[in-house]
Amino acid sequence: NIVLTQSPASLAVSLGQRATISCRASESVDSYGNSFMHWYQQKPGQPPKLLIYLASNLESGVPARFSGSGSRTDFTLTIDPVEADDAATYYCQQNNEDTWTFGGGTKLEIK
Amino acid sequence: QVQLQQSGPELVKPGASVKMSCKASGYTFTDYVISWVKQRTGQGLEWIGEIYPGSGSTYYNEKFKGKATLTADKSSNTAYMQLSSLTSEDSAVYFCAREGERAYWGQGTLVTVSA
Repeated sequence: NIVLTQSPASLAVSLGQRATISCRASESVDSYGNSFMHWYQQKPGQPPKLLIYLASNLESGVPARFSGSGSRTDFTLTIDPVEADDAATYYCQQNNEDTWTFGGGTKLEIK
Repeated sequence: QVQLQQSGPELVKPGASVKMSCKASGYTFTDYVISWVKQRTGQGLEWIGEIYPGSGSTYYNEKFKGKATLTADKSSNTAYMQLSSLTSEDSAVYFCAREGERAYWGQGTLVTVSA
């Protein structure tokens, strides 16, 4: 199974600054010209909210402050500039080869 | 629009079983795989397995084999997950999600295992 290592586990960023979260896969999540890596935001008591799908595609309705990049085994979620409402836990997730795995999560605090 | 409506919270006794539902709408139910995900309070997300409603084929995370059973009813566009021999470790929120280029998630079902 593909293991996703997310870093950092927690992050404190000042309002208006940039937040960068990394996700490294134990093997490539690329197939058929796509990177099967996705990013979610989750707030307490809510289901995960999709932000980025297939590594770099912004989900409809998600602010352009969020962006995703990467391929094969190394991926990044960037929030720039961060807003107070971005305080949440962020997860990467892969679904290559018919199984899902998640990163351990990054808790973002806004200073 | 695609929607997944999950059943309500469950309070169950240790050793019992529970069956929860995930009713799909807004798309052709048999065309997309449904996955199930577990989240314990304050913890991360764990994939349980998936079912392809068109054929009934299932694929499980090894960790949940024998614990979870996935089924689907094409006539009602509903996917089900049964959890057996419940313990406190099974207390969690369980989500269903439709796979595809981008996933759609249900709102979650809270299962509390307590005597």
